[in-house]
Amino acid sequence: AQSVTQLGSHVSVSEGALVLLRCNYSSSVPPYLFWYVQYPNQGLQLLLKYTSAATLVKGINGFEAEFKKSETSFHLTKPSAHMSDAAEYFCAVSESSGDKLTFGTGTRLAVRP
Amino acid sequence: NAGVTQTPKFRVLKTGQSMTLLCAQDMNHEYMYWYRQDPGMGLRLIHYSVGEGTTAKGEVPDGYNVSRLKKQNFLLGLESAAPSQTSVYFCASSGQTTNEKLFFGSGTQLSVL
Repeated sequence: AQSVTQLGSHVSVSEGALVLLRCNYSSSVPPYLFWYVQYPNQGLQLLLKYTSAATLVKGINGFEAEFKKSETSFHLTKPSAHMSDAAEYFCAVSESSGDKLTFGTGTRLAVRP
Repeated sequence: NAGVTQTPKFRVLKTGQSMTLLCAQDMNHEYMYWYRQDPGMGLRLIHYSVGEGTTAKGEVPDGYNVSRLKKQNFLLGLESAAPSQTSVYFCASSGQTTNEKLFFGSGTQLSVL
């Protein structure tokens, strides 16, 4: 069965600081991995996805994530946080032959001025 | 371009009442999903559909029923609402499989008193 674990339900950083949001996955087959972002009172939007083409994936708004099979991780990073990055971020996993997407519990990112 | 539209946006029910949530997508997507979002629990899959006339159970299907009579619509029904079904409900769709980007609606806030 597939699953994801997001470490840290709340993360707070200063504007301009590095953003690091952690995600570890479990999957019995090669996974597809995703990061979605949810702004207040909105649905989720796709930030980026890993589908085995390249281990370092670049997404929108300056975010990127690196797939590390040995660590079963897919952490999300951004070199310099902006106030507009404040939102909740969800990691998700789908088995390459599957038809269901399983989400983590989410990490709420706060950005301090 | 509307994308995924959910109706209603807000609803308050009394315990035991029934209601139907409507999800409509105009992207000719095969796959449609219903998730519920609860604090600290992320998004959990209720039911999903891989095409017109098909439905399947997700992670938390009890107390809900769904129908996909038309490709563009996916209905979520609560036959006898319970306070435990107080949640934010999100509909999503994707073109072929969950390995593609999911498009989300803006959510329905449901309170069961």
